[in-house]
Amino acid sequence: DAGVTQSPTHLIKTRGQQVTLRCSPKSGHDTVSWYQQALGQGPQFIFQYYEEEERQRGNFPDRFSGHQFPNYSSELNVNALLLGDSALYLCASSPLKLWGNYGYTFGSGTRLTVV
Amino acid sequence: GNSVTQMEGPVTLSEEAFLTINCTYTATGYPSLFWYVQYPGEGLQLLLKATKADDKGSNKGFEATYRKETTSFHLEKGSVQVSDSAVYFCALGTKTSYDKVIFGPGTSLSVIP
Repeated sequence: DAGVTQSPTHLIKTRGQQVTLRCSPKSGHDTVSWYQQALGQGPQFIFQYYEEEERQRGNFPDRFSGHQFPNYSSELNVNALLLGDSALYLCASSPLKLWGNYGYTFGSGTRLTVV
Repeated sequence: GNSVTQMEGPVTLSEEAFLTINCTYTATGYPSLFWYVQYPGEGLQLLLKATKADDKGSNKGFEATYRKETTSFHLEKGSVQVSDSAVYFCALGTKTSYDKVIFGPGTSLSVIP
């Protein structure tokens, strides 16, 4: 059973560009959350998707947007990239109604470098 | 709002030493508490969890007890190995906001032979 799959694993973008990161949740999970992890810090919540809608959002600007597809996979889009957006972007999935029993399953992340 | 505080690292221990990583939390409602581990170059893995007061989570020799009276969830292991070298994150979520798990800043552990 595959866990959470993220792509790409690494990418380098230029300041001002736009980027799309992708995530496939673990089988049986219907909820996808995205986190940003700066070097040496804990993950910061960006937003969560359930039933193709954004359910809750962290303290991130509108440059960060997302989408969830009917097969539960998700995308994270970041527009007008800044140097400070360089980080590891983590996708986490969970079964919404059983969340408290299982917590999150994380992918290995996408390392984004903005130059 | 909800928050998690962890002891600052890095922590360096000799193999077979006893490990404690302190974690305290602030939360409304009744949070579930988690410890996640992150090995170099990888994502986070759930290490253990506790969903109510006095629960003890355990896995791979690690333990943590949910202490509501002290709002703590300290991670312990009796004898660490070199392979335990990683960053450990304490985290919480509540049923009222289970869509936003809050993580602590992480504690880096290095175990030397």
